[in-house]
Amino acid sequence: DAGVTQSPTHLIKTRGQQVTLRCSPKSGHDTVSWYQQALGQGPQFIFQYYEEEERQRGNFPDRFSGHQFPNYSSELNVNALLLGDSALYLCASSLRLSSYEQYFGPGTRLTVT
Amino acid sequence: AQSVTQLDSHVSVSEGTPVLLRCNYSSSYSPSLFWYVQHPNKGLQLLLKYTSAATLVKGINGFEAEFKKSETSFHLTKPSAHMSDAAEYFCVVRLDSNYQLIWGAGTKLIIKP
Repeated sequence: DAGVTQSPTHLIKTRGQQVTLRCSPKSGHDTVSWYQQALGQGPQFIFQYYEEEERQRGNFPDRFSGHQFPNYSSELNVNALLLGDSALYLCASSLRLSSYEQYFGPGTRLTVT
Repeated sequence: AQSVTQLDSHVSVSEGTPVLLRCNYSSSYSPSLFWYVQHPNKGLQLLLKYTSAATLVKGINGFEAEFKKSETSFHLTKPSAHMSDAAEYFCVVRLDSNYQLIWGAGTKLIIKP
């Protein structure tokens, strides 16, 4: 049983560019959450998707957007990249919004130069 | 507002000695609390969770944590450290209003041979 998978593993972009990160949830899970983890810090909640809709959003600007597909996979899009967007982006999946347990993928390391 | 504070950014212990990672929380409600572990280049893994049942919670790999409401603490312990325990540990509180996870800054556990 595959766990949460994310692609790509690493990514280097230039300021002002746009990036798309992808996540496939653990089999049977229907809820996907995205987090940003800056170096030396804990993860910060970006948003959560359930039934193809954004259900919750953290304190992130509109440059951060997402999507969930009918097969529950998800994308995170970041427009107009800033140097400060350099971080590890983590995807987590769970069964239902209210589930206590989230399963995390290994993350995508984004470097903005 | 709910928040969590990890009192030590780094903890160093010798292999075979006890581990104590400290966490304090602030919450208006009876909180749901978690400890996650992050090994280098691996995804976050749930160690244990407290969801208002028994105050002493046992997790994986010999770790346990005790919920103390009077002290607003949820410290993580292990009787005997192993080299494989070297990792970053995060204390997390869950907002019951919308199920968002609020993360501490993390404690890096270093195991000396």
